[in-house]
Amino acid sequence: DAGVIQSPRHEVTEMGQEVTLRCKPISGHNSLFWYRQTMMRGLELLIYFNNNVPIDDSGMPEDRFSAKMPNASFSTLKIQPSEPRDSAVYFCASGGYNEQFFGPGTRLTVL
Amino acid sequence: EDQVTQSPEALRLQEGESSSLNCSYTVSGLRGLFWYRQDPGKGPEFLFTLYSAGEEKEKERLKATLTKKESFLHITAPKPEDSATYLCAVETSGSRLTFGEGTQLTVNP
Repeated sequence: DAGVIQSPRHEVTEMGQEVTLRCKPISGHNSLFWYRQTMMRGLELLIYFNNNVPIDDSGMPEDRFSAKMPNASFSTLKIQPSEPRDSAVYFCASGGYNEQFFGPGTRLTVL
Repeated sequence: EDQVTQSPEALRLQEGESSSLNCSYTVSGLRGLFWYRQDPGKGPEFLFTLYSAGEEKEKERLKATLTKKESFLHITAPKPEDSATYLCAVETSGSRLTFGEGTQLTVNP
């Protein structure tokens, strides 16, 4: 099993540009989570899906952030327009009940 | 609001020097308490889930325990490869995890 796959691993963009982060969860897992990690705020849950349906998006910071899960094997997190304060490491995790397995993360830098 | 506090923020040990990390929590209804290990530049790696007070789980040199207000991660005779940040998280509603800030552990040879 390849584990959770995220792409790109690093993204550098300029303020105002659209950014799309991608995630392939572990096959068979029915839950998918998007987290953001910063030095100031630690690891924060942004949104999670269960069986491809968004269940809790209360952690999404504002309307500039959107997430989709069109099928069981793919999810995207989009930021439009991006701002410097969005710079962070974004993790995708997948799991079943009581376990979450994290991907390697995407380090986003917004200049 | 659910709160998770980990202490100490950083801990330096000599190889073989046993110690404990603390995770205290204030939640409305605990469904599970999770421990993760995170190495620099990597995603958190799952270690344990504890469900009820009095429960203990072990893995190699690590043992996690749970009370009604806190959890401890005991590290016995640590080795340099145990150096990492250890994260504690609580699950209250659905599958939502609230993480603590982590304890950065350094084990010197």
